[in-house]
Amino acid sequence: GAGVSQSPSNKVTEKGKDVELRCDPISGHTALYWYRQSLGQGLEFLIYFQGNSAPDKSGLPSDRFSAERTGGSVSTLTIQRTQQEDSAVYLCASSSPTTSGGAGEQFFGPGTRLTVL
Amino acid sequence: KQEVTQIPAALSVPEGENLVLNCSFTDSAIYNLQWFRQDPGKGLTSLLLIQSSQREQTSGRLNASLDKSSGRSTLYIAASQPGDSATYLCAVKGRGGGADGLTFGKGTHLIIQP
Repeated sequence: GAGVSQSPSNKVTEKGKDVELRCDPISGHTALYWYRQSLGQGLEFLIYFQGNSAPDKSGLPSDRFSAERTGGSVSTLTIQRTQQEDSAVYLCASSSPTTSGGAGEQFFGPGTRLTVL
Repeated sequence: KQEVTQIPAALSVPEGENLVLNCSFTDSAIYNLQWFRQDPGKGLTSLLLIQSSQREQTSGRLNASLDKSSGRSTLYIAASQPGDSATYLCAVKGRGGGADGLTFGKGTHLIIQP
C-alpha cells in the first residue's frame, strides 16, 4: 500500500474488555513500531519488531499489553482487561534500513483512537 | 534516560515571516533525529530526517540543523504560510541498535495568521 494503515480508526470499549488494534506497515518495511499518544504523557514508545524476531517488550506499560507480528508484516496490539487510563491514540510506524544497514526514517499511520468507558 | 525538550511550546506569527523552532536532547549518543508535523486529529507526517553524521537537511521551505555535541536541533521555516499551522514534533533515536523507538518532545504548536 501507499502508507501505513491502521484499523479500526476509532474504538470505544467498556472497562475490563479486551481490544485488538491492527497495523499494516508499508510494503517491504522490515521494522515496525507501536507508540501511544495521550494528553498527559505525550508520545511514548511501546514496542518494536524487526522482521519476525522476538520483540523488545520493555516499553509496554503493563503485562496486560501484548503484540505480535505475523509473517513479518501485519501486527496486532492486544490490550487485555482494559482500564480507563488505556484511553489514548495508538500509533504504528514502519521503516526500512538505510543503505548502511541502520534504522531509517519512520513513517506513521493515522492511529487508532481508543476510548475506555 | 533521554529527554527531549521543545521551545517554544506555542508560537503565533503573521504569514510570510521566517521562524525557528528549537529542540534539545540530553543524551548526545543518538542515531538520528526526525522532525514531524501533526495536524489536529491526524497521524504524524515526517518532514526531515537527519542522521547523526549530518549537520543539516533541507526540503523546500524547511531546513533542519543538528548539533549533536551540544544536543540541539533547529527547524527553520521560510516564508511561512497558513497551511504550515500544525504541531511540530522533534524526535531522536537512541543508539540501542534498532531496539529503541523514538523519544519525542512535547511539540511546538504553531499558528500562522493569514
